[in-house]
Amino acid sequence: GAGVSQTPSNKVTEKGKYVELRCDPISGHTALYWYRQSLGQGPEFLIYFQGTGAADDSGLPNDRFFAVRPEGSVSTLKIQRTERGDSAVYLCASSLAGGPNEQFFGPGTRLTVL
Amino acid sequence: RKEVEQDPGPFNVPEGATVAFNCTYSNSASQSFFWYRQDCRKEPKLLMSVYSSGNEDGRFTAQLNRASQYISLLIRDSKLSDSATYLCVVSKDTGRRALTFGSGTRLQVQP
Repeated sequence: GAGVSQTPSNKVTEKGKYVELRCDPISGHTALYWYRQSLGQGPEFLIYFQGTGAADDSGLPNDRFFAVRPEGSVSTLKIQRTERGDSAVYLCASSLAGGPNEQFFGPGTRLTVL
Repeated sequence: RKEVEQDPGPFNVPEGATVAFNCTYSNSASQSFFWYRQDCRKEPKLLMSVYSSGNEDGRFTAQLNRASQYISLLIRDSKLSDSATYLCVVSKDTGRRALTFGSGTRLQVQP
């Protein structure tokens, strides 16, 4: 079956602009996670959704970052007033209910802020 | 200090060699432990979970020492296809929600 998909695969933007990154989880997965990965580092947790609600947003670095999942499926990560330091690969993962279930990762969106 | 520490490598080993990676974690409340594999410019994929009793999956053996807060991965009979970055991962609850990743150890298996 289809895995986690993310669009766009690459996004180049200018400092100060607004961007939206989309994640389409595996069908039937109620838990969805966003991570970001900088060069040479492991993924860093941002936010976790169980259904439509953000169950844990403790990893969001500041209030420029926001994520939604209005219908409990597709999620959008929104970044306002982008900064060069936001450049990274943004990874989305999904799993069956947020219990002891494997997280399956999408291919990521590579964001470059010029 | 990072919550999960790994030697970045690279580990360059010949085919057929046995190689071991270690990692340490700082949060004693950590409950779940994993090794993920990440190929260059690809997403991480679960390699195996790690249990206190130790577990084996083919050529791969993982061990957990809770007292020392130490996790290991042993790869026997290395293949060229094992070349990748190996990420040590912990989670604070048994629900496997937010994962905390180490920076990864790069393995290059040479012919």
